[in-house]
Amino acid sequence: EAQVTQNPRYLITVTGKKLTVTCSQNMNHEYMSWYRQDPGLGLRQIYYSMNVEVTDKGDVPEGYKVSRKEKRNFPLILESPSPNQTSLYFCASSALRRGSLGPTGELFFGEGSRLTVL
Amino acid sequence: AQSVTQLDSHVSVSEGTPVLLRCNYSSSYSPSLFWYVQHPNKGLQLLLKYTSAATLVKGINGFEAEFKKSETSFHLTKPSAHMSDAAEYFCVVTLNSGYSTLTFGKGTMLLVSP
Repeated sequence: EAQVTQNPRYLITVTGKKLTVTCSQNMNHEYMSWYRQDPGLGLRQIYYSMNVEVTDKGDVPEGYKVSRKEKRNFPLILESPSPNQTSLYFCASSALRRGSLGPTGELFFGEGSRLTVL
Repeated sequence: AQSVTQLDSHVSVSEGTPVLLRCNYSSSYSPSLFWYVQHPNKGLQLLLKYTSAATLVKGINGFEAEFKKSETSFHLTKPSAHMSDAAEYFCVVTLNSGYSTLTFGKGTMLLVSP
């Protein structure tokens, strides 16, 4: 079954305590992306990756890091979380358009990770 | 560059009545357009897509959307709402030419009353 798996689904942490949200996909997709969802703001892209070792900033990258060492995994790292990073986070993956010019738009999403930073 | 505007943040309908969720886009090239649905406590799921073939696109669960270039619109419709349609819906645009990522609308919450 095609799947994007995120962990943890729920996490409460304290300011400054480093955490990692894992994301794994089983569809051999080149493109992976992280979004955060906040009420009234919709989905905002944090970082994306077009392939292994290729990552780039999205619209709201401050306070986050990512890595893409393997095609299937794309972890999101919060080195020093702050309360304004309390949010619902989604990982998504997609094949690339012909010529590798970007994602096809047919995204597969994980179930989400709800993070609370106290 | 591209952008997308969902004209209503909330839409309320009664079960059995038609659904219309509005989306307008702007793009410098030929666009691809998508509608996604997000049920409570779930990730987003692709509902339907337009990628420069037929302008009337059918999706899952009886939804359809029509691409109207002259109006730069891609409105989502369903003839008869069901309680299970209550969810948040997102319109998404990307470009068919050149490098392009995806641009999401801010979402429309569909409320369905009995």
